[in-house]
Amino acid sequence: KAGVTQTPRYLIKTRGQQVTLSCSPISGHRSVSWYQQTPGQGLQFLFEYFSETQRNKGNFPGRFSGRQFSNSRSEMNVSTLELGDSALYLCASSLSGGSSYEQYFGPGTRLTVT
Amino acid sequence: GQSLEQPSEVTAVEGAIVQINCTYQTSGFYGLSWYQQHDGGAPTFLSYNGLDGLEETGRFSSFLSRSDSYGYLLLQELQMKDSASYFCAVPGRSQGNLIFGKGTKLSVKP
Repeated sequence: KAGVTQTPRYLIKTRGQQVTLSCSPISGHRSVSWYQQTPGQGLQFLFEYFSETQRNKGNFPGRFSGRQFSNSRSEMNVSTLELGDSALYLCASSLSGGSSYEQYFGPGTRLTVT
Repeated sequence: GQSLEQPSEVTAVEGAIVQINCTYQTSGFYGLSWYQQHDGGAPTFLSYNGLDGLEETGRFSSFLSRSDSYGYLLLQELQMKDSASYFCAVPGRSQGNLIFGKGTKLSVKP
């Protein structure tokens, strides 16, 4: 079974621009969660989607948004990029979200904002 | 709020045993998970403890004491490939949300 895939793997953007990242979950997984990983803050939850609906959102500004498609693929968008948005963005899938103790992570998208 | 504390770095030699501790403060508790992440790689699930006691998976074991809000990951017969960061995590109250500790960087020396 193929794992979680994320595209692109690396991205360089300029302050003020916007970016869209993509995540394809494991086949059959309907829950997709997004995380931001930085050296200072560690892994922080952004939001979670299940059956095309955002069920939960972490403590991030409204510039961070996402969506999920009927095939469970998910995208996240960051508008008006700031230098502090430079991070590794990880998506993770699970069958139903639920107690979510076991999630399967993709390799991440390394975003650099200059 | 919810927080998890774990040591930032641990060093051990090949073949040895190492224990990585994790203490947590959570409002509501749904179990403790452990993840491994190699440099440049994705976090991968190692183990989960929903109840008190020891869970063993090959060279790795994980322990939980809910009364002490404490758990640990035990790695035996350390190999160079075990050099990685290890994160403890708890499911948040909201669905699909994992709350992670800051991670413990394990360096295995020859």
